[in-house]
Amino acid sequence: EVQLLESGGGLVQPGGSLRLSCATSGFIFNNFALSWVRQAPGKGLEWVSTIRGGAGTTYYADSVKGRFTISRDNSKITLYLLINSLRAEDTAVYYCAKILVGGADGPGDYWGQGTLVTVSS
Amino acid sequence: SYVLTQPPSVSVAPGKTARITCGGNNIGSKSVHWYQQKPGQAPVLVVYDDSDRPSGIPERFSGSNSGNTATLTISRVEAGDEADYFCQVWDSSTDHVVFGGGTKLTVL
Repeated sequence: EVQLLESGGGLVQPGGSLRLSCATSGFIFNNFALSWVRQAPGKGLEWVSTIRGGAGTTYYADSVKGRFTISRDNSKITLYLLINSLRAEDTAVYYCAKILVGGADGPGDYWGQGTLVTVSS
Repeated sequence: SYVLTQPPSVSVAPGKTARITCGGNNIGSKSVHWYQQKPGQAPVLVVYDDSDRPSGIPERFSGSNSGNTATLTISRVEAGDEADYFCQVWDSSTDHVVFGGGTKLTVL
């Protein structure tokens, strides 16, 4: 059974940093792309970043490029998102998703339950 | 940047057919994926690559894509189908994932 479990969210002051983790199980981790998608309170889904399987090419939304870093540890079968210079508009539930294929262009076929990041002073 | 446009809301009576559209420039040339999200829950993939269904998704959910509009069709709508629905594509010109704004399906 495929499972993804996010952690690392919390309350952080503007300008602060957090590292989100997504522990996975139930699939061959290195073979699949993984994404972070966020959802601000009462709003729609917003893609944040994707990392391909294998060589791990990364992609970022314009709104987070230069502040967020996606990475994966194939030995720990865990996905990460390092988020720096946090702003109020980064407040959201952050979901990790397994992509159906190894490339970045596929759909998210399995999702975690999300971790809430709140940016406030 | 590529934009996907969805109606904010769609209402349908139980047992009828709901159609949720997703508009985009020449979207017919892209693969469209659809997600269902119920309150407080993570999104669930219901249709991918325009018209394929993941295992476990009822045949009542189907999709089509042509020209400038993709459509998610839910036949014989049930109360449990009430949710937000999002379309998604990959924009190869920018290497970005793009989501539509979402449609709230209300079952009357």
